[in-house]
Amino acid sequence: DAGVIQSPRHEVTEMGQEVTLRCKPISGHNSLFWYRQTMMRGLELLIYFNNNVPIDDSGMPEDRFSAKMPNASFSTLKIQPSEPRDSAVYFCASSFERDTDTQYFGPGTRLTVL
Amino acid sequence: AQTVTQSQPEMSVQEAETVTLSCTYDTSESNYYLFWYKQPPSRQMILVIRQEAYKQQNATENRFSVNFQKAAKSFSLKISDSQLGDTAMYFCAFRSSGAGSYQLTFGKGTKLSVIP
Repeated sequence: DAGVIQSPRHEVTEMGQEVTLRCKPISGHNSLFWYRQTMMRGLELLIYFNNNVPIDDSGMPEDRFSAKMPNASFSTLKIQPSEPRDSAVYFCASSFERDTDTQYFGPGTRLTVL
Repeated sequence: AQTVTQSQPEMSVQEAETVTLSCTYDTSESNYYLFWYKQPPSRQMILVIRQEAYKQQNATENRFSVNFQKAAKSFSLKISDSQLGDTAMYFCAFRSSGAGSYQLTFGKGTKLSVIP
């Protein structure tokens, strides 16, 4: 079975540009999570979807960040406009049952904002 | 709020030897889940092992096993017969088990190097 798929694996952009990160969760999973990993702050939860509905977006840093899940097999995380401090690795993870199951992570997208 | 502490920023072990990574956590809950994730240089986060707090038996997955001490709030990972492919960052994580719980709280990680 395919795991969580993320694209692109690497993204280099210039400050002020729009960045869109994509995620395809494991088929059948109904929960999806976006995380950000930095050296300073470690792994942080940005947003959590259950059955395509955003449940908790309290971790989203600011209005420049937005996330959508139009269907059960696709989610996007958008940063507009991007800033150098957004440089990080962004992970998408999914799980089948939010209360008992394990979160499976994608390979991550390394974002560099110049 | 729960906290997870990994007190060993870096460790090294000779190939084929055994190494133990430490993790402690703080919670007032009686039931919860604990995880160890591995992040190799490829940066993929890979689940290594999972433990449910209500189970007294320590979880085991091949060469990986845990020592879960609930009273001490300790959850260490033992890697036996270390292999070069075990070189990675290892993260300990905590999750509540109550209804609506989903938040994973991660430790800062331990960088493990397996030396040939």
